[in-house]
Amino acid sequence: GAVVSQHPSRVICKSGTSVKIECRSLDFQATTMFWYRQFPKQSLMLMATSNEGSKATYEQGVEKDKFLINHASLTLSTLTVTSAHPEDSSFYICSARTGGSTGNTIYFGEGSWLTVV
Amino acid sequence: DQQVKQNSPSLSVQEGRISILNCDYTNSMFDYFLWYKKYPAEGPTFLISISSIKDKNEDGRFTVFLNKSAKHLSLHIVPSQPGDSAVYFCAASDSGTSYGKLTFGQGTILTVHP
Repeated sequence: GAVVSQHPSRVICKSGTSVKIECRSLDFQATTMFWYRQFPKQSLMLMATSNEGSKATYEQGVEKDKFLINHASLTLSTLTVTSAHPEDSSFYICSARTGGSTGNTIYFGEGSWLTVV
Repeated sequence: DQQVKQNSPSLSVQEGRISILNCDYTNSMFDYFLWYKKYPAEGPTFLISISSIKDKNEDGRFTVFLNKSAKHLSLHIVPSQPGDSAVYFCAASDSGTSYGKLTFGQGTILTVHP
């Protein structure tokens, strides 16, 4: 079946540095991927929509210069947290929607746990 | 403004019995609904979905019911198993240009006791 893979699953970085998270669709091409964030004991909140070959669309309140999204190919989207601060520590999850023979549904990656120290 | 609400933060059920998880939504543009199961520090696992043209969808032990007039959906798990213990999220989307962009409920922690 369709699989979405995220890497790394866990990352610790120093305050002020940048960290990149990758999201890959393994069995299908995804023109659109989505990035979510989940703080402890809260729901998943959509951060941005990643569009292959064009700029990402950010949700209200999400800083586009801080959370850089690049969707360079039909199977890869990256989220770069720039100048990370401890308050950026969170669980980041990507998703991609399928179509065609795999059915029209949305699959999530395994998530990436970011800790900024 | 919480557009998707799961009003029960937790549910405890005996193994073999039925688990019923509820979800309400307010946005009438939503026409596609999904249920996910999630463990801590893992991504959500897709369980079942339903389009607004249906009022029921069944997949094995999982059945989702949709009441459009009440803007309410529910997930039934029968029979419940201890391995079903997890956080369950309902999510909603509109199948138009925003398809894939999900709005999640707060989640319900399901505990199935042996």
